[in-house]
Amino acid sequence: QQQVKQSPQSLIVQKGGIPIINCAYENTAFDYFPWYQQFPGKGPALLIAIRPDVSEKKEGRFTISFNKSAKQFSLHIMDSQPGDSATYFCAASYGNTDKLIFGTGTRLQVFP
Amino acid sequence: NAGVTQTPKFQVLKTGQSMTLQCAQDMNHEYMSWYRQDPGMGLRLIHYSVGAGITDQGEVPNGYNVSRSTTEDFPLRLLSAAPSQTSVYFCASSPLNGRTEAFFGQGTRLTVV
Repeated sequence: QQQVKQSPQSLIVQKGGIPIINCAYENTAFDYFPWYQQFPGKGPALLIAIRPDVSEKKEGRFTISFNKSAKQFSLHIMDSQPGDSATYFCAASYGNTDKLIFGTGTRLQVFP
Repeated sequence: NAGVTQTPKFQVLKTGQSMTLQCAQDMNHEYMSWYRQDPGMGLRLIHYSVGAGITDQGEVPNGYNVSRSTTEDFPLRLLSAAPSQTSVYFCASSPLNGRTEAFFGQGTRLTVV
């Protein structure tokens, strides 16, 4: 049973486009929602994270939108660049724990 | 400061063989975990530890054992490798406060034939 559902599986955009990756969860106990970025041959690295008490968080060109009532959150990449080409994972955790439950990942390709 | 170091980077095993994947961190993090990454399935938690001497199972623990004798090390043991264990394995560590970055190693690509 996938506790965090992520879509789409892959995404292709042109440079300057705004790719959007969506995630949904069922467990209302989740209270921390990070996004990780992974380049080929590397381990995932934290990109940005949000708590459910805010609806939006921006860090540079990356924005998380959070809809608590719908139990959904999404990642937007403004002015996407070829260097943003990577696999993106949403995740969730709850309580005083670092136990992360990951989505299935989205492979993003940004073409010049 | 090396962060999280995993060895080996690549390994080929025959079915039934055993091996240990090593993981070490130098950030004095209490929490350490092992994930496996398979195409289309994301990262799935195998085992985790909240401190030396304390371990627990994650989503997919069958076929794997762990121990945590020191804060720095968290090895993952495959007792009798199976082709279904062919995967990329990642070790991660973080301070135990639930709200900070998990640091991942570079991964171990394991093939069981």
